[in-house]
Amino acid sequence: NAGVTQTPKFRVLKTGQSMTLLCAQDMNHEYMYWYRQDPGMGLRLIHYSVGEGTTAKGEVPDGYNVSRLKKQNFLLGLESAAPSQTSVYFCASSWTVHTQYFGPGTRLTVL
Amino acid sequence: EDQVTQSPEALRLQEGESSSLNCSYTVSGLRGLFWYRQDPGKGPEFLFTLYSAGEEKEKERLKATLTKKESFLHITAPKPEDSATYLCAVDLDNYGQNFVFGPGTRLSVLP
Repeated sequence: NAGVTQTPKFRVLKTGQSMTLLCAQDMNHEYMYWYRQDPGMGLRLIHYSVGEGTTAKGEVPDGYNVSRLKKQNFLLGLESAAPSQTSVYFCASSWTVHTQYFGPGTRLTVL
Repeated sequence: EDQVTQSPEALRLQEGESSSLNCSYTVSGLRGLFWYRQDPGKGPEFLFTLYSAGEEKEKERLKATLTKKESFLHITAPKPEDSATYLCAVDLDNYGQNFVFGPGTRLSVLP
């Protein structure tokens, strides 16, 4: 039982490049979330999903897109990366809305 | 505006020196308060959920309590392995998109 896994662990992009971050969970959770964590700030919700085929915007969705084609996977896309998107990205999942279980994170640097 | 603050920002304790971390919130409707532990370079790890004023939860050297406006995480006789950043979060609406995190308290326990 791996829990929540994230791919890749590290990535460096140039401004304007695109990439996709993959989150996978093997706990059969309905809810999945993408957060970003910046120094001195709390985790901020980017997008979330309440079930396969559904997505919704969180607090800071601009510049990101998501897809949930399979229940166990939640993808976060950056179409045209900007230096302001340099951050650590965490995926989480939960049975209900309350107890969220987090992945190990992806450290993204945009030059 | 819904807000979650944590104090102190950083805390250094000697091994065995008990103390408390504070999480204060100004929200219009609290559905739950959560404590997480985050080690450097890792994702947050779930510790406790509290739902109503007066509720308490314990796990090893940690005890979380909740009042109408704040929560405390009490650490009794801490050990160096308790060193981590402790995050609190509040759930505002039972639907997952209003899960607001505080900035965290960075705890260092010296041997």
